[in-house]
Amino acid sequence: SQQGEEDPQALSIQEGENATMNCSYKTSINNLQWYRQNSGRGLVHLILIRSNEREKHSGRLRVTLDTSKKSSSLLITASRAADTASYFCATSSGGSNYKLTFGKGTLLTVNP
Amino acid sequence: SAVISQKPSRDICQRGTSLTIQCQVDSQVTMMFWYRQQPGQSLTLIATANQGSEATYESGFVIDKFPISRPNLTFSTLTVSNMSPEDSSIYLCSVPGSRGGGGTQETQYFGPGTRLLVL
Repeated sequence: SQQGEEDPQALSIQEGENATMNCSYKTSINNLQWYRQNSGRGLVHLILIRSNEREKHSGRLRVTLDTSKKSSSLLITASRAADTASYFCATSSGGSNYKLTFGKGTLLTVNP
Repeated sequence: SAVISQKPSRDICQRGTSLTIQCQVDSQVTMMFWYRQQPGQSLTLIATANQGSEATYESGFVIDKFPISRPNLTFSTLTVSNMSPEDSSIYLCSVPGSRGGGGTQETQYFGPGTRLLVL
């Protein structure tokens, strides 16, 4: 079964606005990560949050994790046109931190 | 962070043929991963390639269809055999991050991907 499910599937905002994407998962996790993919190219790691953490910041990114609801959110503040990309959450669980299960992704479009 | 290159970047192939995708890393790594991303979909792990041992395949993927080689610690190949249009996807390789390199071992660095279209 799909571990990570992002919503919304697509999001369109204006430059300067904030963008929030959500991810839900089904099983207990070791950590949850967010990746960005530009135009069907390789993925770039954005941020990792461990199961014992609730919130993490990196620049304009803020990630929260609610293990009781099995959900995470990614907030991008003051968005830019260059933030236009697909965003995926990925989880690792069980005995392996290396095996990632990706969600379906959110396509974010930031209009100038 | 690791620098990863893939060849070819894209290809158009006829059904029934095979394509070998190369993945080169600029540093030695024990584990390399191969993913498939079907059109408009997420990434699915095909297999984990360890140097000196057989690749470990995920459910739904078999060695006859996706043979993998790992001749050394910086290189791996994935072959997509006897292709059909359903194999049209982006194929990506990745390696774990490393402590002190701006990431952690739980994160992964990805290659730019190989976009495959099977007619």
